[in-house]
This record gives sequence, C-alpha cells and structure tokens, in this order.
Amino acid sequence: GDSVTQMEGPVTLSEEAFLTINCTYTATGYPSLFWYVQYPGEGLQLLLKATKADDKGSNKGFEATYRKETTSFHLEKGSVQVSDSAVYFCALAGAQKLVFGQGTRLTINP
Amino acid sequence: GAGVSQSPRYKVAKRGQDVALRCDPISGHVSLFWYQQALGQGPEFLTYFQNEAQLDKSGLPSDRFFAERPEGSVSTLKIQRTQQEDSAVYLCASSRREGSYNEQFFGPGTRLTVL
Repeated sequence: GDSVTQMEGPVTLSEEAFLTINCTYTATGYPSLFWYVQYPGEGLQLLLKATKADDKGSNKGFEATYRKETTSFHLEKGSVQVSDSAVYFCALAGAQKLVFGQGTRLTINP
Repeated sequence: GAGVSQSPRYKVAKRGQDVALRCDPISGHVSLFWYQQALGQGPEFLTYFQNEAQLDKSGLPSDRFFAERPEGSVSTLKIQRTQQEDSAVYLCASSRREGSYNEQFFGPGTRLTVL
C-alpha cells in the first residue's frame, strides 16, 4: 500500500541555518504530495503542495520539489527562524485519504 | 466559524465507557475525514464522508468505532467500550471538494485518554 517515510527527528538547528527534511514515498501512480506543519498548540495546516512530477511547491520561504525518479519530496529552507519551530509532516493523497509520514520535530535556537 | 472545530478538546474516559467526539467542518465543505494520531506519530486515516455518505471506513480499527454525518455537515465519531489502546488525538478535517487531492483543513483535535 501507499506509504511515506520521513527522516527521523528531532532536528535542532541555529537560527539562519539551512534546513532539509527528507521525505520519500511509495505509491501507485503519481499522487499529489503535501507538507503539513503543526505549530505548538495549533492544528495541522497545509504548508505547501505539488500535484505532478517536477512541480515545486513553495510557501513562507520553504520549498519542495516533486521528484518521481527518486520518489522524493524533500523540504528545504535557506534560512530558518525561531518561529519555524514545529512538527512537519510529509503526506501523499491516496484513494480518498491522506497518508502521512511519522513527522519530524524541528527546534530552532536563537 | 472560520475553521474546523472539534469538541471536547480533552476527554478522559474509564476503560469500558462509551465516548462521542464531535466535528464541525467548515460550512459548505463536501468532504470530511477523521484521523487518529498516536503520540509521536503521524495521523492515520479512519474514515471519509462525502456529504452524508460514508464512502470509506477502511481505517476504523474495530467495530467499536462508528462515525456518522447524517445531514452532511456535523460529524460524530463514537467509540464504544473504550480500551487503553484507543488513547490518541482524534483529528477531523474537511475539504471543499470530494476526494483527498484538495487541501484539507484540520481541527485542533480531541485528545482522548482512556484510564
């Protein structure tokens, strides 16, 4: 069945560091891919998405490119801020449901 | 309201009790999803409604779990004879159109603790 694998956390970085959170998937066909973020005390919210191969999703300085050759959708940001501290979930759109990775907790220190 | 709301936010139940969790989706949203999120894990799909029709309930872990959305808006997830392994955060999400390909808007969740 469909599945998503994320790099294990927690990840701790200093402010202004470069961020990469790896995500790979297994699926039939070419599903839409998503990154959701959960800030402390808040619900899950969509960060960015890509609907087909080679699409790049971007939002709030974060980017991820849909790579069908490597079945990957890695999340990147060039310069992280303390306010980016949160849990990040990679997900794919399966048949009538989202399939999530296990989440990566990110902490940014000033 | 502007977003998806869930109630109660926290529920403590004794093992064997029945519980009911409510979800108020964004007005007019066709699709409604329930997910279960164990501590330190990603959400896992439970069930999907398109309007009032429950089109997929493949993720419900046992026949103790039951969901309904009788008028195509508010939904209730009911768990009968709760067990300790049911302890988790239960998330509700809604989407403007049918299917999972569109953005899902999540509620804050209900944290269920079964003692």
